[in-house]
Amino acid sequence: EAQVTQNPRYLITVTGKKLTVTCSQNMNHEYMSWYRQDPGLGLRQIYYSMNVEVTDKGDVPEGYKVSRKEKRNFPLILESPSPNQTSLYFCASSPTQGAGYEQYFGPGTRLTVT
Amino acid sequence: AQSVTQPDIHITVSEGASLELRCNYSYGATPYLFWYVQSPGQGLQLLLKYFSGDTLVQGIKGFEAEFKRSQSSFNLRKPSVHWSDAAEYFCAVGAGYGNKLVFGAGTILRVKS
Repeated sequence: EAQVTQNPRYLITVTGKKLTVTCSQNMNHEYMSWYRQDPGLGLRQIYYSMNVEVTDKGDVPEGYKVSRKEKRNFPLILESPSPNQTSLYFCASSPTQGAGYEQYFGPGTRLTVT
Repeated sequence: AQSVTQPDIHITVSEGASLELRCNYSYGATPYLFWYVQSPGQGLQLLLKYFSGDTLVQGIKGFEAEFKRSQSSFNLRKPSVHWSDAAEYFCAVGAGYGNKLVFGAGTILRVKS
């Protein structure tokens, strides 16, 4: 089944404790992206990657890092999480670069930072 | 800069009634427009998309949307709502380089029996 998977689905952590949220897609998509969803704000793009070893900032990149060493994986790294990073995170992928391509979303990771 | 406005935060409709969810966008060129649905605890599922051509777009689950350039709108409609349609609905515009989607704040649909 074609899908985007994220792990973990739920995570509670403390301020300053480094964490990684994994994202993997099995559709051989070139493009991958991370969004965060906050009430009243919709989804906002954090980082995106156009292909292996090619990443760039989205609209809200502060406090996040990403890497793209393999085509299928695009982990999101919070080196020193803070309470304002408490949010619902979505990974997405699409076949290639272009505003008209549908993005496929993972199930989401709910992160709470205390 | 691109933006999307969904004026209604919550909408409640009776089962079997018709539905219209509003979406207004701001974008300089011809937009790529999307409607996604998010059921509780789930990811986002694409309902429909508009790229060009016919301004009335059909989607899954009996939804349709109409692109009106003069009003910068892309409203979502369904003639008869089912209880399973209760979810949050997001309108989004494709914002060019980086495949970025710019989302509206979402509309939560409640269906009463």
